[in-house]
Amino acid sequence: KAGVTQTPRYLIKTRGQQVTLSCSPISGHRSVSWYQQTPGQGLQFLFEYFSETQRNKGNFPGRFSGRQFSNSRSEMNVSTLELGDSALYLCASSLPGTPNNEQFFGPGTRLTVL
Amino acid sequence: AQSVAQPEDQVNVAEGNPLTVKCTYSVSGNPYLFWYVQYPNRGLQFLLKYITGDNLVKGSYGFEAEFNKSQTSFHLKKPSALVSDSALYFCAVRGLRAAGNKLTFGGGTRVLVKP
Repeated sequence: KAGVTQTPRYLIKTRGQQVTLSCSPISGHRSVSWYQQTPGQGLQFLFEYFSETQRNKGNFPGRFSGRQFSNSRSEMNVSTLELGDSALYLCASSLPGTPNNEQFFGPGTRLTVL
Repeated sequence: AQSVAQPEDQVNVAEGNPLTVKCTYSVSGNPYLFWYVQYPNRGLQFLLKYITGDNLVKGSYGFEAEFNKSQTSFHLKKPSALVSDSALYFCAVRGLRAAGNKLTFGGGTRVLVKP
């Protein structure tokens, strides 16, 4: 079974630009969550999507948004990029139903904002 | 609100010695607890989880963790560490009553196993 895939793996953008990151979950997984990982703040939850609906949202500004498609693939978008948005963005998927299911993480997209 | 503390930024251990990575948590109600490991330039890999039942949980690669409700701890252990265990380890919690699959992570502990 293929794991969680994320594209692209690396991105370099400049301040003020916008960026879209993509995540394909494991087949059969309908819950997709996004996390931001930085050396200073650690791993922080961005949002979760389930059946094309946002189920949970972390404490990030409105510049961060996401969506999920009918095939469970998810995208996140960051508009008006700031230097502080430089981070590793991780996507995780899990089986629907019980919340005790572990999440499976993709390799991440490393975003650098110059 | 839920939170996780990993009090040690780094743990150094000699190969063959026991390895312990500490984790304490705070959550309303009963917790779901997880350990993940991250190797350089990689995503997080699931090691083990505590849901309910036996307080000693066995996971991948010879790791185990002990759930202690009175001390709100979930320490990760390995009886005999390998050099290949050198990585970044994260403890995470989700409350039983929490909506969705949001995980709250600790700050991570870097493990360095020396030959």
